[in-house]
Order: sequence, then structure tokens, then C-alpha cells
Amino acid sequence: GAVVSQHPSRVICKSGTSVKIECRSLDFQATTMFWYRQFPKQSLMLMATSNEGSKATYEQGVEKDKFLINHASLTLSTLTVTSAHPEDSSFYICSARARPAGYTFGSGTRLTVV
Amino acid sequence: EDKVVQSPLSLVVHEGDTVTLNCSYEVTNFRSLLWYKQEKKAPTFLFMLTSSGIEKKSGRLSSILDKKELFSILNITATQTGDSAIYLCAGIYSGTYKYIFGTGTRLKVLA
Repeated sequence: GAVVSQHPSRVICKSGTSVKIECRSLDFQATTMFWYRQFPKQSLMLMATSNEGSKATYEQGVEKDKFLINHASLTLSTLTVTSAHPEDSSFYICSARARPAGYTFGSGTRLTVV
Repeated sequence: EDKVVQSPLSLVVHEGDTVTLNCSYEVTNFRSLLWYKQEKKAPTFLFMLTSSGIEKKSGRLSSILDKKELFSILNITATQTGDSAIYLCAGIYSGTYKYIFGTGTRLKVLA
């Protein structure tokens, strides 16, 4: 079945540093990937839609300069949290549309900014 | 404003009970509705519902969509402690395939 590999699964970084999260589609081509964040005990909130070869589309209220998304190939999308602060600590997860399996999620990245 | 609302927000039952989880949606250009189970990490896919009135089943789980009344239910029969999780439903937009997630239902099954 369609698999999305997400790395790292857990990262702790210092305030002010940048963190890159990668999502790779392993056995299919993902022209579109979605990036979500999830705070404890809350649902997933869509941050942005990543399209291969073009600029990402950000949801209202999401800072595009803070959350940089790059989708340079059909199998790789990256989310970079720039100048991270403790309030950016969250669970970040990507998702891709994969025929015929439907939609598949990466395993998620738990970011802790100290 | 588009939204997906789930109820109840949380539920505690005993093993063997049957539960029904509700999901109502208001999604412009609605395409499909999905159900996911989320334990500690990434949600795992349960069902995708596109047509109204057709029940989908997988073991003890079943789900159905009503596109006229804009809701879906997820049934779990003979619950087990391993069913304890957050159950999420999400509406998918036609064209963009973006999801909008519901608030989730936190289910706890006691032994």
C-alpha cells in the first residue's frame, strides 16, 4: 500500500533554531501533500497544501515565512520551522493523496522547542 | 464557514458495549468523508465514504454517510480495550482534496 515516510519522529531544539521535517512518498508519486499540526487533545489543523513544483498554499493565520514548505520532487515535501519558539512545540504530520488507497499519513513529528 | 462537528467529544464504555460516533459536516464542494482512528501517533485510515446510504464494514466497525442530512456515523460493536483511541472524521473538498477535520471523539473502553 501507499506509504509516506516522515522524519524525524521526534525532535528537541533550542529556541531560535530551525527544524526541517521531511515527508517522502515511498511507492507512489505525490503531487500534493498536506501539512497539519495538532496540539494536545485537539484535532488536526491544516497548515498548508504543498504542490510539487509550485508555491505552497497556506491556510489563514499560518505564517508562510515561519513555516517554509518545499515540494521539489514528486516524492519529497519538507516543512521547515524557522526561528522556532516554545509555542511552536506541537505534533506535525503530513498527508498525501495516493490512488487507489485514498489518503495516507506520515507517522508524524513531535517537535519540542526548549 | 465550513465545519465538521463530532459528538460526543468523549465517551467511556465497557468491553462488549456497542458505540455510535457521530459526525456532521458543512463543507462547500464536498467530495467524501473519511474516518480515522488515532492512538498515539498518526491517524490510521478506517473508511472513505462518498456515496450516500451505502454502509461500509470492516470487522466490528461500520460506517454510513447521509448526504441529504450531512452526517455520518461510525459504529463499533462488541468494543474491546484496543478500540480506545480518538476517532476523527474529515470532510474532503472536491478539486483541492483538502481535508477539514472534526474535533474528534475520545473513546475509552474499560475492561
